[in-house]
Amino acid sequence: GAVVSQHPSWVICKSGTSVKIECRSLDFQATTMFWYRQFPKQSLMLMATSNEGSKATYEQGVEKDKFLINHASLTLSTLTVTSAHPEDSSFYICSARTGTSDYEQYFGPGTRLTVT
Amino acid sequence: GQNIDQPTEMTATEGAIVQINCTYQTSGFNGLFWYQQHAGEAPTFLSYNVLDGLEEKGRFSSFLSRSKGYSYLLLKELQMKDSASYLCAVMDSNYQLIWGAGTKLIIKP
Repeated sequence: GAVVSQHPSWVICKSGTSVKIECRSLDFQATTMFWYRQFPKQSLMLMATSNEGSKATYEQGVEKDKFLINHASLTLSTLTVTSAHPEDSSFYICSARTGTSDYEQYFGPGTRLTVT
Repeated sequence: GQNIDQPTEMTATEGAIVQINCTYQTSGFNGLFWYQQHAGEAPTFLSYNVLDGLEEKGRFSSFLSRSKGYSYLLLKELQMKDSASYLCAVMDSNYQLIWGAGTKLIIKP
């Protein structure tokens, strides 16, 4: 159990366009979802935390108007990279947690974004 | 500030044992995690320690000393497939994970 999927697994887009990445918990309800970004040879960087039905909490330095997060249901969160630039090219990973009593985060397989 | 330290890279031989250390300074503590991450893939959960002591799970064991702010991941009977990055992460008082930069483990035949 505890499977998290991401779609797409990889995407190439042109500079200035927007890209939406979906994160789904397949067999559990995720009250909290996390979005991470990982550049080559670096560790995970938390971008934002989203709770179902409320606005996401963004980490310092992450532009909320550029990285739009929607957690509309207990099984789906989306990250939209708006007006993408080449420097947004990265590995985006989501994770999900059932609640504060469940310590483990279940990670999706990640989405490789390349902006040309 | 919050800080997680672990070695950048380690090399070990197939069949041997390797210990990857992690030291931490965080605002609050709700447990320490070890994750394995192969290149181009998302992290996979290995272990969770919240009490002092050793947790053994097959070839992998994880140790925690809260008073010292220290943990290690012990890998026995190393296999080539164990070549990966190993991430140490601490859950702080807000239940958020603070991540280390990861240790790249290279296994040689």
